[in-house]
Amino acid sequence: EDQVTQSPEALRLQEGESSSLNCSYTVSGLRGLFWYRQDPGKGPEFLFTLYSAGEEKEKERLKATLTKKESFLHITAPKPEDSATYLCAVRPLSGGYQKVTFGIGTKLQVIP
Amino acid sequence: SQTIHQWPATLVQPVGSPLSLECTVEGTSNPNLYWYRQAAGRGLQLLFYSVGIGQISSEVPQNLSASRPQDRQFILSSKKLLLSDSGFYLCAWSVSPRGGVGNQPQHFGDGTRLSIL
Repeated sequence: EDQVTQSPEALRLQEGESSSLNCSYTVSGLRGLFWYRQDPGKGPEFLFTLYSAGEEKEKERLKATLTKKESFLHITAPKPEDSATYLCAVRPLSGGYQKVTFGIGTKLQVIP
Repeated sequence: SQTIHQWPATLVQPVGSPLSLECTVEGTSNPNLYWYRQAAGRGLQLLFYSVGIGQISSEVPQNLSASRPQDRQFILSSKKLLLSDSGFYLCAWSVSPRGGVGNQPQHFGDGTRLSIL
């Protein structure tokens, strides 16, 4: 069974204090790994797709990286508007394209 | 650009009442469509997905059903709601995979918060 574990569950940072969120996954072959941002009471907003180990993607203060067992979302010099829950999801090679397993997320709070 | 609309944003229903949540997508054709439920402390749970008009696959046995009467319209229904149906319901779409090139992300609507009394 595919599994996604995100850590920490919650993270509180001072504005400008860089950190990383972790997504560990277990799949029988990875078709793709996705990062989303979810604001309270809203649907997840797509951020990145990573396909293979060693790949990196960047967007503003966020950088996502991928290894064979985990992915990191690095947040550089965060601002209060980066506060949100960040979700990780994996799509395995086996099964249809609808088979996406989501983690519970990391709730990030950035304090001014 | 593509957009997805879900309504209503919030809904309070008594136990045993019917349910109809609607989702529409604009700016794309023949999308894959999905219904998820998100419970506190749990990951998103896929309820239904559809690859075309009238084609519905159910992922978990439950009190709910889904229909796709038009290409870009997806409806979640129930004849009689249970207390356990409370939750945050999300509709999503993705580009339909063609020729093996289908590793596209899912894009979500803003959800419906459903409370059963």
